[in-house]
Amino acid sequence: GQSLEQPSEVTAVEGAIVQINCTYQTSGFYGLSWYQQHDGGAPTFLSYNALDGLEETGRFSSFLSRSDSYGYLLLQELQMKDSASYFCAVREGDQAGTALIFGKGTTLSVSS
Amino acid sequence: EAGVAQSPRYKIIEKRQSVAFWCNPISGHATLYWYQQILGQGPKLLIQFQNNGVVDDSQLPKDRFSAERLKGVDSTLKIQPAKLEDSAVYLCASSYRHYEQYFGPGTRLTVT
Repeated sequence: GQSLEQPSEVTAVEGAIVQINCTYQTSGFYGLSWYQQHDGGAPTFLSYNALDGLEETGRFSSFLSRSDSYGYLLLQELQMKDSASYFCAVREGDQAGTALIFGKGTTLSVSS
Repeated sequence: EAGVAQSPRYKIIEKRQSVAFWCNPISGHATLYWYQQILGQGPKLLIQFQNNGVVDDSQLPKDRFSAERLKGVDSTLKIQPAKLEDSAVYLCASSYRHYEQYFGPGTRLTVT
């Protein structure tokens, strides 16, 4: 079956670094995406990894290890506005019509 | 660039009533998705369109849910009759690149 595991909650203070892990078990794998969702808001795309390694976008970085079925989102220089839910999502196929499977999300709380 | 538009934003109905949601995707995005997001969980795909054809509706409860995308642009999702467990946020998303989806603000449905 399909499963994506990520911690339910993470807490940190402003200026700190936090890592949100995601392990997956799916029938196929073509990439791992990360989305951010503020309370009451829409999910917004953060990053995508199709190959092993680290992708950096400003304060956010995402890592993938296909052999370990594992990835993580790294958030640096945390700010209060980073308090949100973070979802990892797996793409199981490489066809244009392949949907994403989302994890249950990790709630990040940043305090001052 | 205008984002994904959805209406209504909120809807309260009684069980066994019917309800419809509307979505206008980002111009030029061929793929349109409807997701159901229950509180505390990640989005769950209900149906995916490529232009005006259905690509994946395997998780759509077809006895009560229906969706259409006329002319490959706007889409409507209907529930008839609604059940208490249909209370959720219904998110519409569109994409040009399948791993990078743009979500609308969602419709929060409460079934009483």
